[in-house]
Amino acid sequence: AAGVIQSPRHLIKEKRETATLKCYPIPRHDTVYWYQQGPGQDPQFLISFYEKMQSDKGSIPDRFSAQQFSDYHSELNMSSLELGDSALYFCASSVRGRDTEAFFGQGTRLTVV
Amino acid sequence: GNSVTQMEGPVTLSEEAFLTINCTYTATGYPSLFWYVQYPGEGLQLLLKATKADDKGSNKGFEATYRKETTSFHLEKGSVQVSDSAVYFCALRNQAGTALIFGKGTTLSVSS
Repeated sequence: AAGVIQSPRHLIKEKRETATLKCYPIPRHDTVYWYQQGPGQDPQFLISFYEKMQSDKGSIPDRFSAQQFSDYHSELNMSSLELGDSALYFCASSVRGRDTEAFFGQGTRLTVV
Repeated sequence: GNSVTQMEGPVTLSEEAFLTINCTYTATGYPSLFWYVQYPGEGLQLLLKATKADDKGSNKGFEATYRKETTSFHLEKGSVQVSDSAVYFCALRNQAGTALIFGKGTTLSVSS
């Protein structure tokens, strides 16, 4: 079965550079979520989209932005990168609903040097 | 606001021991509750869920019961295996389409 695809799997950037992470949700899933997981931390919710419109906003820094495109893939854009942005970034997708399972991708490991 | 509190780890057990990982939550309304598992270097996978009070979620020998009166969703397994070594996250979702809120995670290490 198709899963959530994230690319790239690993990314190394220098401070003050920009990065773009991509997420391809499971077909027919209408909701996409982005999470940031620091080392040894729980996943922190950043932002979500429902039917290509932003639906929820969490602890996403102003330096970050995201969007969902007509083919439902989503991109997380990160500018003016800081050392503290080094983390695992997960994308998840689901069918909208209180009880539905969110399926997670394998994540993009971003290292800022 | 919504929050999830898990027991701190790491939890270290011998194979075939009994496992309990405590989870309590704070939420308005009636949330759905989930347990996710994360193996090293991988994404999170749903382990089990419960959507209303007194529901019991179960999967792969793991169980958790939604206790509204104690706002708890403790994870249990009668006999753990080495392959169960992972990080376990308790999570809730309060409304349709809102993001999952995770606890801090509990690392389980099982030795043979």
